[in-house]
Amino acid sequence: GESVGLHLPTLSVQEGDNSIINCAYSNSASDYFIWYKQESGKGPQFIIDIRSNMDKRQGQRVTVLLNKTVKHLSLQIAATQPGDSAVYFCAESPLGGGADGLTFGKGTHLIIQP
Amino acid sequence: GAVVSQHPSWVICKSGTSVKIECRSLDFQATTMFWYRQFPKQSLMLMATSNEGSKATYEQGVEKDKFLINHASLTLSTLTVTSAHPEDSSFYICSANEGRLLRETQYFGPGTRLLVL
Repeated sequence: GESVGLHLPTLSVQEGDNSIINCAYSNSASDYFIWYKQESGKGPQFIIDIRSNMDKRQGQRVTVLLNKTVKHLSLQIAATQPGDSAVYFCAESPLGGGADGLTFGKGTHLIIQP
Repeated sequence: GAVVSQHPSWVICKSGTSVKIECRSLDFQATTMFWYRQFPKQSLMLMATSNEGSKATYEQGVEKDKFLINHASLTLSTLTVTSAHPEDSSFYICSANEGRLLRETQYFGPGTRLLVL
């Protein structure tokens, strides 16, 4: 079946640097995309979302880019901090996050080095 | 912001027993809640969609008679793992949709760690 996947399972960056986490999706009908952060032993924490009618959305220190042509989603984190260390998941929904369960990617473990 | 809680946060039980997990939306009403399962070092997998006042919708491969879901109110959904076995040991996470102002973000609970001996 169709799925959402990630390119890199582990990403290590220096504290203060910017990080980019990538995600590929295969469902062309996907309309809504979300990035979640999950710390060990905790539930996913919402970071930022984007709809398919947009190609960029910015939040505090984070930016999500959507390229529908190549079905690619990315999360950029500026000036990474130790607290950014976690597993990051992209998720997608063809109907929107309210009416439909989410399909999650495999996750990228972001490691912030001092 | 929207807060979702789960109880218990962890549970250890003997094989063959049943375990109930509660999911509550604390500061909003949730018509729909979702249940996910996450095995170690893996991603979240949707198990079922819980609708207030109606039967849950289960994903393919999820046994509805084993994972009983009840959504009796707009703030509470329960997942009961019946006759649990060691292979049911996992991290169970619920989510709820706030559903206002066209914002369809799903907010997740802290998860329940289940260990079946």
